[in-house]
Amino acid sequence: QVQMVQSGAEVKQPGASVKVSCKTSGYTFTDYYIFWVRQAPGQGLEWMGWINPDSGGTNYAQKFQGRVTMTSDKSINTVYMELTRLTSDDRAIYYCAREEHGFDYWGQGTLVTVSA
Amino acid sequence: QSALTQPASVSGSPGQSITISCSGTNSDIGTYKLVSWYQQHPDKAPKLMIYEASKRPPGISSRFSASKSGNTASLTISGLQADDEADYYCCSYALGGTLVFGGGTKLTVL
Repeated sequence: QVQMVQSGAEVKQPGASVKVSCKTSGYTFTDYYIFWVRQAPGQGLEWMGWINPDSGGTNYAQKFQGRVTMTSDKSINTVYMELTRLTSDDRAIYYCAREEHGFDYWGQGTLVTVSA
Repeated sequence: QSALTQPASVSGSPGQSITISCSGTNSDIGTYKLVSWYQQHPDKAPKLMIYEASKRPPGISSRFSASKSGNTASLTISGLQADDEADYYCCSYALGGTLVFGGGTKLTVL
């Protein structure tokens, strides 16, 4: 069965970077784009960008351009999302999601807390 | 890219039907049929309920239906049940291969 397992919660200081992983299984890794979506506490869903795990091609939301990098490692069926120059506004749950006719499978979410 | 516009909240009694609207622009909903809807219960990941504007994934109840007309998409839930109480988000592809979500609608089952 399809599974998407994300790395654990992170606590970072302002100005630091965070790298969240999303390990997939149960399907052909290179066949589906992976999207990253975040959700601040009590807020809605926000699209951050996507990655083509096969080619490594990416498309980032304008809001995050220059601060986000999405990568993939085909050898371990894992994608990564790194966000730099963190501020308190980046405190959120970060989700990876597989895209096929909508986001049919989601990771469990990774809470990133930014605190001095 | 601005968020799609959804009502902040809707409510209905068990057995009733409700509709959630999602308003976009010619740059997103008006151009793309790739509109999807997600249900999110508290402290859970979102769940795909509708894709390509009106299609249900396997396992999703026929009580959930959706449509798109012009720049607006709509989700209808018929025969409301207590477990339908959740947040609902619409989502659309937009120009440049980007994506935009609605602000979310909290459904309360009275």
